[in-house]
Amino acid sequence: GAGVSQTPSNKVTEKGKYVELRCDPISGHTALYWYRQSLGQGPEFLIYFQGTGAADDSGLPNDRFFAVRPEGSVSTLKIQRTERGDSAVYLCASSSGGPGTDTQYFGPGTRLTVL
Amino acid sequence: GENVEQHPSTLSVQEGDSAVIKCTYSDSASNYFPWYKQELGKGPQLIIDIRSNVGEKKDQRIAVTLNKTAKHFSLHITETQPEDSAVYFCAASYDYKLSFGAGTTVTVRA
Repeated sequence: GAGVSQTPSNKVTEKGKYVELRCDPISGHTALYWYRQSLGQGPEFLIYFQGTGAADDSGLPNDRFFAVRPEGSVSTLKIQRTERGDSAVYLCASSSGGPGTDTQYFGPGTRLTVL
Repeated sequence: GENVEQHPSTLSVQEGDSAVIKCTYSDSASNYFPWYKQELGKGPQLIIDIRSNVGEKKDQRIAVTLNKTAKHFSLHITETQPEDSAVYFCAASYDYKLSFGAGTTVTVRA
């Protein structure tokens, strides 16, 4: 079946602009995660959704970052007033949402470049 | 929070030889340890995982071992092939939040 998809694959923007990054999870997966991966590092947790609600947004770096998942499927990560330090690959993952820690499947990521 | 350290950062092996990557974690509550393979321009792909109720798991040429007392776990790849060249990440979790190591770049020389 189809895996996690993310759009766009690449996004170049100017400092101060607003961007939206989209994630389509695996069909039927109730849990969705956003991670950020800087060059040469492992992914870092940003936010976790169970259904429509953000169960844990403790990884969001500041209030310029916000994410939604209004219908419990597609999620959008929104970044306001972008800064050069926001440049990274933004990864989305989904899991079945069963009890305990279950396997997370990652999408290909969106490479964000802030000029 | 959880802190995961991964070694080595780079590893070059001759085709057919074995590769070993080691990780340590700090939070004794962690009970889930996945390994991901990431190729250039792609997202991380799960290759194997282990839970704290077992000490070893094997899947064809890949094996993972876990020592909960010492808080370390390792990935073993046997009979390496050129397509094994990639960046490998270990991770640890006790709930839903994966904490990743910094990655190991594995190069398999033909």
